[in-house]
Amino acid sequence: EDQVTQSPEALRLQEGESSSLNCSYTVSGLRGLFWYRQDPGKGPEFLFTLYSAGEEKEKERLKATLTKKESFLHITAPKPEDSATYLCAVQDDYKLSFGAGTTVTVRA
Amino acid sequence: DAGITQSPRHKVTETGTPVTLRCHQTENHRYMYWYRQDPGHGLRLIHYSYGVKDTDKGEVSDGYSVSRSKTEDFLLTLESATSSQTSVYFCAISPDRAKQFFGPGTRLTVL
Repeated sequence: EDQVTQSPEALRLQEGESSSLNCSYTVSGLRGLFWYRQDPGKGPEFLFTLYSAGEEKEKERLKATLTKKESFLHITAPKPEDSATYLCAVQDDYKLSFGAGTTVTVRA
Repeated sequence: DAGITQSPRHKVTETGTPVTLRCHQTENHRYMYWYRQDPGHGLRLIHYSYGVKDTDKGEVSDGYSVSRSKTEDFLLTLESATSSQTSVYFCAISPDRAKQFFGPGTRLTVL
């Protein structure tokens, strides 16, 4: 059974204080690893797809990396508008298995 | 934003009543999904569809049924709602079984 574990559960940052979120996974055959952002009261919003170890993707202050057992989402010099819950998911054939998420709060 | 709408957005109902949630897309994507999201559990797949009238169960399908008679509509039915089905329900669509785009969600409360 696929398992996705995200850590930490919550992260409080000062504006400009860079940090990283972790997503560790076990899956029989990884077809893709996905990062989503979710704001309160809204549906998840797609950020990145990673397919193979060593791959990196960037978008503004966010950078996602992938190894054989985990992925990291690095937030560089975060701003208050980066406050959200970040979800990680792995694809196994037809479905995505999601982690419980990391809630990031960035204080001005 | 991907063209996905969910209705209703909020619903309060009583235990034992049937409830139907609707997902409508304007993207003509083949794959559609229903998830529920609960604190501490993340998103869990209820049912999914890989074409008109083609559906299959996800990991938490007990107590739920689905139907897809048109490409654009995917209905989720709770045959007899229970308090354990109080949750936020999300519909998602995908053109290729990989990247999924999510709707705004329906908050369901079963009293």
